[in-house]
Amino acid sequence: DGGITQSPKYLFRKEGQNVTLSCEQNLNHDAMYWYRQDPGQGLRLIYYSQIVNDFQKGDIAEGYSVSREKKESFPLTVTSAQKNQTAFYLCASSDESGTGSILYGYTFGSGTRLTVV
Amino acid sequence: AQRVTQPEKLLSVFKGAPVELKCNYSYSGSPELFWYVQYSRQRLQLLLRHISRESIKGFTADLNKGETSFHLKKPFAQEEDSAMYYCALEVTGGGNKLTFGTGTQLKVEL
Repeated sequence: DGGITQSPKYLFRKEGQNVTLSCEQNLNHDAMYWYRQDPGQGLRLIYYSQIVNDFQKGDIAEGYSVSREKKESFPLTVTSAQKNQTAFYLCASSDESGTGSILYGYTFGSGTRLTVV
Repeated sequence: AQRVTQPEKLLSVFKGAPVELKCNYSYSGSPELFWYVQYSRQRLQLLLRHISRESIKGFTADLNKGETSFHLKKPFAQEEDSAMYYCALEVTGGGNKLTFGTGTQLKVEL
């Protein structure tokens, strides 16, 4: 069953702790993305990667870091988590065209809800 | 910088009534626009893209470059259309990526 797997579904951390959100895909997609979803603010791009060992900052990269050592994996680390980073985090992937297939567009994971207390 | 605006946070209509979800964009390049939908407890998924000119689940959207709009329409709303809808703009150059609007929650009432 092809798709994107995000784990865990829920995360709780204290302020100041680091936390890593996992994102794995078996779609053989080149590009992967991390978005943050907040009520009333839509989806905002944190980081994206078009190819292994390369990634670019999105609109709200501060306070986050990523790595892309394997094509299948694009983990997101929240460094020294702050309360304002409490949010729903979505990972997505797309084929080499960048915007995904004609049929499916981006493929999204089911998300991880991070709560920082 | 590019921007996607969805002016309505919530749109409530009765079953069988027409639906129009508004989307306006600002972008200096040639726009590629999309509508994504998120049903309750499901993943975000593509609804339609302007380049394919399809009608999906009865929804259509026409790109109006003069008004910089890409409104989503359906003539007769169904209960199963209740969901969160996001308009998105593809930004090309330096890596293709999508800029999303803030979303509109559509509620179809019986």
